[in-house]
Amino acid sequence: GQSLEQPSEVTAVEGAIVQINCTYQTSGFYGLSWYQQHDGGAPTFLSYNALDGLEETGRFSSFLSRSDSYGYLLLQELQMKDSASYFCAVRDRYSSASKIIFGSGTRLSIRP
Amino acid sequence: SQTIHQWPATLVQPVGSPLSLECTVEGTSNPNLYWYRQAAGRGLQLLFYSVGIGQISSEVPQNLSASRPQDRQFILSSKKLLLSDSGFYLCAWSVPGTGSQYFGAGTRLSVL
Repeated sequence: GQSLEQPSEVTAVEGAIVQINCTYQTSGFYGLSWYQQHDGGAPTFLSYNALDGLEETGRFSSFLSRSDSYGYLLLQELQMKDSASYFCAVRDRYSSASKIIFGSGTRLSIRP
Repeated sequence: SQTIHQWPATLVQPVGSPLSLECTVEGTSNPNLYWYRQAAGRGLQLLFYSVGIGQISSEVPQNLSASRPQDRQFILSSKKLLLSDSGFYLCAWSVPGTGSQYFGAGTRLSVL
């Protein structure tokens, strides 16, 4: 089976940097994705890491270490609009490459 | 560009009534399609996924079913709704072999 762990809540200050961690256990692994979901809305895709290292997209970066079964999402220059829930998700290599499993989400609150 | 349509946005149904939620994707061919359910404040639970017409993989044994009668159409159904079927239902698509998923706006279902 698969399991993902991420903190349930994180609080940060506007303008600061915050890191949201995700550890996973799968029988096989293709890659780690990150999604943002505002209250009442649908998730939106942020990033995908299939290889080790850091991927940067504007203020958001995502990191993966396959050997540690660990990844994180880094948000810089935080803005109030970044207040949302953030989910990591994995593609499992052995159950089905098409099966994507989500973590329980991290609720990020930004303080002025 | 690709778009995903999901309707209705909200639905209130009595216990024991049938359900049909529809999702269509435009601008892409042979997508992988997914149905998720999200309880309030919780993560996304994968219900069904499909890699092609008539091919459905079920993740959760319950009174829900899914069908894919056309390449870009995915339908979630129930013959008799239970109170526990209440939640936020999300349809998503992805390009096979990639790690990014794109979600519809969701259907908020209340079973009373």
